[in-house]
Amino acid sequence: GAGVSQSPSNKVTEKGKDVELRCDPISGHTALYWYRQSLGQGLEFLIYFQGNSAPDKSGLPSDRFSAERTGGSVSTLTIQRTQQEDSAVYLCASSLVVVANTEAFFGQGTRLTVV
Amino acid sequence: ILNVEQSPQSLHVQEGDSTNFTCSFPSSNFYALHWYRWETAKSPEALFVMTLNGDEKKKGRISATLNTKEGYSYLYIKGSQPEDSATYLCAFAGGTSYGKLTFGQGTILTVHP
Repeated sequence: GAGVSQSPSNKVTEKGKDVELRCDPISGHTALYWYRQSLGQGLEFLIYFQGNSAPDKSGLPSDRFSAERTGGSVSTLTIQRTQQEDSAVYLCASSLVVVANTEAFFGQGTRLTVV
Repeated sequence: ILNVEQSPQSLHVQEGDSTNFTCSFPSSNFYALHWYRWETAKSPEALFVMTLNGDEKKKGRISATLNTKEGYSYLYIKGSQPEDSATYLCAFAGGTSYGKLTFGQGTILTVHP
């Protein structure tokens, strides 16, 4: 595709349910990032897939959060047993190379609301 | 934990004013500094990627400078226009990872007609 695509664009879920957020990066991009922005906060790093190397999961806030990237392309961020504090905009970005000397391209985000 | 700070948090200017914001970051193990513009209801878009101390980049009315030795970057907007209203984010790569981008909290710019 022409850009980074995320789905769904909006998701409302009940507390305690699991959700899956999807990211389709730009074809050929080896680096893929997940960030989230909670209300009134900056972009919080969650996880970074760096080509064939092990992902940097240092930003995942709890073991309810997990992410995978299949075949070096599509990525899924899964939140189990959602809590109200998980409500945020989840942004995915991809970059051509795994070192940050080129720009990252962002998707439109998934707005998650936990009620 | 890498500390990337931006100031001011928000800024209101009149159309035609020139303005600037600051991003400060760790001065050791620097790799790259990015600037992004994030308009409401859109995705963040890259403005500049800077990797060398003393780098100066320019795109139209917007320019940026980089000082890696003291750990700061300035973003300048000359002759602000209402369409420049957005959140401006900087992101740092360095420390133990040359790929992971750590973002500042952003500066929210509002340009009044």
